[in-house]
Amino acid sequence: DQQVKQNSPSLSVQEGRISILNCDYTNSMFDYFLWYKKYPAEGPTFLISISSIKDKNEDGRFTVFLNKSAKHLSLHIVPSQPGDSAVYFCAASLNTGGFKTIFGAGTRLFVKA
Amino acid sequence: EPEVTQTPSHQVTQMGQEVILRCVPISNHLYFYWYRQILGQKVEFLVSFYNNEISEKSEIFDDQFSVERPDGSNFTLKIRSTKLEDSAMYFCASSDRRGTGELFFGEGSRLTVL
Repeated sequence: DQQVKQNSPSLSVQEGRISILNCDYTNSMFDYFLWYKKYPAEGPTFLISISSIKDKNEDGRFTVFLNKSAKHLSLHIVPSQPGDSAVYFCAASLNTGGFKTIFGAGTRLFVKA
Repeated sequence: EPEVTQTPSHQVTQMGQEVILRCVPISNHLYFYWYRQILGQKVEFLVSFYNNEISEKSEIFDDQFSVERPDGSNFTLKIRSTKLEDSAMYFCASSDRRGTGELFFGEGSRLTVL
């Protein structure tokens, strides 16, 4: 199942700079797109989402952009902080008949002090 | 703050044995999920559940797997005859809204099959 793809396994950024995490998807029926953050030995934690009818959603330092024509979304973190170091999962939800949320493979973000 | 709790945190079992992983979702949530993550790999959807019925299941969720909500609080995942490749971290999640994808996850149950 490759419907949600994160092609960068890791990203390293200097503290205070912008982190940009990318995600591609193949199914145009997804209703919502989300970003989750995960620390070792913990479950994923919801970070931010965007409806498929919007192109931008902002929450503090976190902004998600959706480009439906390119089937691409990105998460921007500005400014990046060392505490942001974690694995970030892109996810997408389907609600046709049944419901499910599908995750990408994750991108490990390192924010260097 | 309400949270999803999972037990056990770690279970070691022999191949072919039955395993039950337990979850207590957030009390007012109605939508429930199980996911698994094999070490270093993606978080894979197994099943979603609502109103005492499976809503969706993945190809992974074959006849060896079952889910149940035996009472008003617990949500369980049963693996009837474990295989080596079932070794993974299993995450339970719950939601109060259908289809938004905003899920609350437990800390996971690590299953090791020997």
